[in-house]
Amino acid sequence: SQKIEQNSEALNIQEGKTATLTCNYTNYSPAYLQWYRQDPGRGPVFLLLIRENEKEKRKERLKVTFDTTLKQSLFHITASQPADSATYLCALESGGSNYKLTFGKGTLLTVNP
Amino acid sequence: SQTIHQWPATLVQPVGSPLSLECTVEGTSNPNLYWYRQAAGRGLQLLFYSVGIGQISSEVPQNLSASRPQDRQFILSSKKLLLSDSGFYLCARGADANTGELFFGEGSRLTVL
Repeated sequence: SQKIEQNSEALNIQEGKTATLTCNYTNYSPAYLQWYRQDPGRGPVFLLLIRENEKEKRKERLKVTFDTTLKQSLFHITASQPADSATYLCALESGGSNYKLTFGKGTLLTVNP
Repeated sequence: SQTIHQWPATLVQPVGSPLSLECTVEGTSNPNLYWYRQAAGRGLQLLFYSVGIGQISSEVPQNLSASRPQDRQFILSSKKLLLSDSGFYLCARGADANTGELFFGEGSRLTVL
């Protein structure tokens, strides 16, 4: 079965620095990969989707890369702010036509002022 | 609109009692709907998904069941709760264009004592 690992359970950085979160997966070749943000006690919120034929995608201060050879995605937040503090989840499509997603456990990012 | 309503937001139930969590969604008709559970220290686990009224697919064998009596209504139930059913239950819908991303509700936190 497919396995997703988000290497850090928690990451602490200083405001203004770039946060880099890692998502690795095994036993599968997904057609796309997604990143979500989850605040405490809330549902996840979709951030970005990157397809297997895309190397990089950007949205404002966010950048996602997708290396299908390494089976890895990197999620970057540039010029980080305390408001970026949250848990970030990586998700892979699970195959089939019903858009099922398999999620990693997430990385808790804390941006210190 | 991708608004998703879940209720109740929180509940505490004794072991062996029944459960009913409701989810209603707004937006276009015939959305893909999903129930996920997030237990402490674990990632989001897909429990059920539905591609239409009365069509339910179960992802993992468990003490729970799901129903979709109306196009925009998705219900999660149990006849007898177990301690292990405690968790944060999230309803989600697929994007209208079926482009892969999910939109989540605010969740229902269940504690079984």
